[in-house]
Amino acid sequence: GESVGLHLPTLSVQEGDNSIINCAYSNSASDYFIWYKQESGKGPQFIIDIRSNMDKRQGQRVTVLLNKTVKHLSLQIAATQPGDSAVYFCAENGPGFQKLVFGTGTRLLVSP
Amino acid sequence: EPEVTQTPSHQVTQMGQEVILRCVPISNHLYFYWYRQILGQKVEFLVSFYNNEISEKSEIFDDQFSVERPDGSNFTLKIRSTKLEDSAMYFCASSVMTGNEQFFGPGTRLTVL
Repeated sequence: GESVGLHLPTLSVQEGDNSIINCAYSNSASDYFIWYKQESGKGPQFIIDIRSNMDKRQGQRVTVLLNKTVKHLSLQIAATQPGDSAVYFCAENGPGFQKLVFGTGTRLLVSP
Repeated sequence: EPEVTQTPSHQVTQMGQEVILRCVPISNHLYFYWYRQILGQKVEFLVSFYNNEISEKSEIFDDQFSVERPDGSNFTLKIRSTKLEDSAMYFCASSVMTGNEQFFGPGTRLTVL
């Protein structure tokens, strides 16, 4: 599952820093959002999800924020570790639709 | 932990040949999906399948593509006559219900020569 792209936005952080990855989604009717992590050669791996009736959801070391007014989603990773290095995709799902629509992805590079 | 599996991990074929990509979704899931990812691009939806029929498909999923659930465990994607532009990673996914988390397999890299 290579998602290496010449034009992929990249976020470089130091180990232990907090990381914030942003995503603008396209469909104002979307009501379900997911963040996926994709490591080189692997499929997308679920990190956290949020429904449109919430604006914040927390997991282990991760927090997702949803701003429906501006159609913006963010993923916060606390105390980033080298193992967090990957490409992160947001995905949206609209009511009545089964497909996920993926964003373009952000590469996170964590330096020890 | 249950996971989606896919075979083969890499498939090389000649243009015009038929390929079948195979997936075993998570056993209690009811919705099955195929996505593809061309190198350097984002993941794109191809088709969803529920209750033994296609429930949604994208414009990419034309007459050259078909899906099947031949038995209780496998879910296949067939490309009848491959084109160079079909070269991509193909991901199978499954979910318990629509509007829920979709679990992805590791992908099959298809290379069309």
